[in-house]
This record gives sequence, structure tokens and C-alpha cells, in this order.
Amino acid sequence: DQQVKQNSPSLSVQEGRISILNCDYTNSMFDYFLWYKKYPAEGPTFLISISSIKDKNEDGRFTVFLNKSAKHLSLHIVPSQPGDSAVYFCAAKRGYSGGSNYKLTFGKGTLLTVNP
Amino acid sequence: DAGVIQSPRHEVTEMGQEVTLRCKPISGHDYLFWYRQTMMRGLELLIYFNNNVPIDDSGMPEDRFSAKMPNASFSTLKIQPSEPRDSAVYFCASSPRGQMNTEAFFGQGTRLTVV
Repeated sequence: DQQVKQNSPSLSVQEGRISILNCDYTNSMFDYFLWYKKYPAEGPTFLISISSIKDKNEDGRFTVFLNKSAKHLSLHIVPSQPGDSAVYFCAAKRGYSGGSNYKLTFGKGTLLTVNP
Repeated sequence: DAGVIQSPRHEVTEMGQEVTLRCKPISGHDYLFWYRQTMMRGLELLIYFNNNVPIDDSGMPEDRFSAKMPNASFSTLKIQPSEPRDSAVYFCASSPRGQMNTEAFFGQGTRLTVV
């Protein structure tokens, strides 16, 4: 049972345009969400996060939007650069709710290719 | 800090052999996680530790898998006997204590191939 779903395995975007990566979750107990970026032969690295008390968080070219009612979040990259080409993982956890606070559940990832 | 350090980076072994993967978490981090990445299942949590104690091992696929954390700076994931379907990239990650909403820091992974 995939609790975090990234339905697009890949996305191709032109340099300078916007990249939008999507993620859906099914567990209503999730209240903290993260995006990780992964280059080949490296471990995932943290990119940006958002808690359920917010609907938007911005960090430079990266913005994450959260729609709790739809159980959907998205990562926007504007403008996209060739160096952004990587696999992007969406992850979720029960940050405030107690229990397994530190347990991250990941989606399968979306391969973003930014073409020069 | 050098980050999370995993060894070896690559491991090729024959079916039936014992495999041991190693991890050194970031100093001061109290949480340690073992993840496995496959094409079919993506990144899945196998087990995690808090202060060297296993907290949740529900992701460990079979009894052939075991993990230990004898001290705060070292953990192992062992597969005995290994099977071809265990081929995957295994990641170790750590998180600091007391920060409920924080990210996990990942090592570079061990690519395991069982032939």
C-alpha cells in the first residue's frame, strides 16, 4: 500500500521554464512533508519542507504547495536549470502527532530532466 | 562533519553468501535509519534506531535481514543468506534528537548486487 504516490515517473522541461512535480498521500495522519533531490550515485539530499499548518513554503527558486483537503502537494521550480536534473522524492511523516515522529515514508520519485 | 558514511560503496556477492553493510551516522544524531531503494518499490524504510535501540523494524523483509547498532557511531545491516532479489541500493540516514520536524541526512548508499 503506497501511502505516498508520485504518479509521474519522469518529467522533461526546457531551461528557464517552470517545473511542477506532484505528490499525493493517503494517510491523513501525515502532517510534515519533505522533498528530496537525488543525483545518480549519491544519497538523497533535503530540498524543502512544509508542515500541515501552512499551505506554501518558498525557498529561492523552490516552492512547495500543500492542499490538505486534496491530500496533495507539489514542488515548483522556477526558473528550471539544467543542474536541477535529478530524481525528486516526496516524503511524509507524522511530525507533530507523536508515535513514529522520525519515520519518513517516501514516494517512488520523479526523474526531472531540464533541457538546455 | 563528513556526513553519513557508508561502506562499502559497491558489493557484489554470490547467492547464499553473507553480506554486511556498514554505516557511521553524523556525530550527535540520535536516530539512524536503514532504507532500501529498488525500481519497483522506491525508497522503503527497513528499520530505525533511537539511541542505539531498534524502534521499528516492521520494514525488514525477512528473517534473513538483521540490523544492529552497538554504539552511537556505528550500525550494520546484515543479510544472511543473500538472494538475487536483495539486489538494491541500501541507504543509511541519521537525524538529530529533539527536532521533531527535521530532515534525515543520507549517506551515499551501498549498491548491492547478488548474483
